[in-house]
Parts: sequence; C-alpha cells; structure tokens
Amino acid sequence: DQQVKQNSPSLSVQEGRISILNCDYTNSMFDYFLWYKKYPAEGPTFLISISSIKDKNEDGRFTVFLNKSAKHLSLHIVPSQPGDSAVYFCAASVRGTYKYIFGTGTRLKVLA
Amino acid sequence: EAGVAQSPRYKIIEKRQSVAFWCNPISGHATLYWYQQILGQGPKLLIQFQNNGVVDDSQLPKDRFSAERLKGVDSTLKIQPAKLEDSAVYLCASSLDHSSYEQYFGPGTRLTVT
Repeated sequence: DQQVKQNSPSLSVQEGRISILNCDYTNSMFDYFLWYKKYPAEGPTFLISISSIKDKNEDGRFTVFLNKSAKHLSLHIVPSQPGDSAVYFCAASVRGTYKYIFGTGTRLKVLA
Repeated sequence: EAGVAQSPRYKIIEKRQSVAFWCNPISGHATLYWYQQILGQGPKLLIQFQNNGVVDDSQLPKDRFSAERLKGVDSTLKIQPAKLEDSAVYLCASSLDHSSYEQYFGPGTRLTVT
C-alpha cells in the first residue's frame, strides 16, 4: 500500500527552465509534507516543507504547492540549474507522529 | 557542525551471515532513526530512538534485525542472519528531538547480500 506516490521516475529539463516534480498521497491524515534531495552516494538532504494549513511555501528558487482536495503536492524549481540534478523524494507525516512515509523518488536531470 | 556519520559505507556478505552497521548522530540530537532503502524505493523507517529508548520499531523485522542505542548517542543496527532481500542502503538520520520535522541523514551503508 503506497500511501505516497511519485509517478514520474525521471524528468529532464533544460537549464533555466522550470522543473515541476509531483507527488500524490492517499492518507487524508497527513498534515506535514517535506521534500528531500539526494545526490549519489549521499544521504537525503532536507529541501523544503509545507504544513497542511498552507497551500504554498517558497524558499528562493524552490516553491512547494499543496492541493489538499486533490491530495497532491508539487515542487517547482525556477530557474533550474545543473546542480539541481538529483533524486527528489517527497515525504508525508501524520500529525503528532513525526514518522515519515517517503515516495519512491523522481530523478531530475537538468541539461546545460 | 559535523553531520551524521555512518560506517561502513559498503558491505558485501553471503546470505545467512551477520552484519552490523554503526551510526553517530549530530551532537545534541536526541532522536535517531534507521531507514532501509531498497533500490527504486523510498526510505522506509525501521526503528526510531528517543535518547536510548525505542519510540517506534513496528516495521523492524525483529526475527533477524536488532538495534541499540545504549548511551543515547551512537547506535548499531544488526542483521542476523542476512537474507538476499536485505540488500539495500541503510540510512541513519537524527533530529533535535522527536517533535522535529527536519531530519538529517548520513551517507548510508550499501549492503549487498549474495
């Protein structure tokens, strides 16, 4: 039972353009969402998060949008840079548990 | 600030053998997590410690996996005996406390069971 789904295993984008990574979830009890970035041979690093009381959170080139009715969140990277090439995981947590369910990841390749 | 340290980085063993992984979290972080990441999947929580006590081990296969955090700092994860399906990257993460959403991950240990 995959509660957090990232249906696109890979994505290629030209440098300078927008990258949009998508994540869907099934559990309506999830109330906090995070995006992690992972380079090869390294552990995931925290990128950005959003609480269910918001529908948007922005941090520099990174913006996360949350659509609770659709149980969907997306990560926008504008403009995309070659250094953004990595695997991106979304993760979700049920209020008060601080336990994360991770998606399967999307490999982003930004082409110079 | 030093990050989360893990060793070894790579390990190859035969099935039915034993293996142990070590993790040193960020100084001052009370909560420590062990995750298993199988190729093509996201990390899956195995066990969560708060100081030296277990908060959640519901997804730890206790017939073969064990973990400890005796002094509330370093932790070891052991598999005995290993199966082929245990081949994965084992990630250790830490956070300031159990109510912190942000976790800091180590580089992981890649285990191959042949």
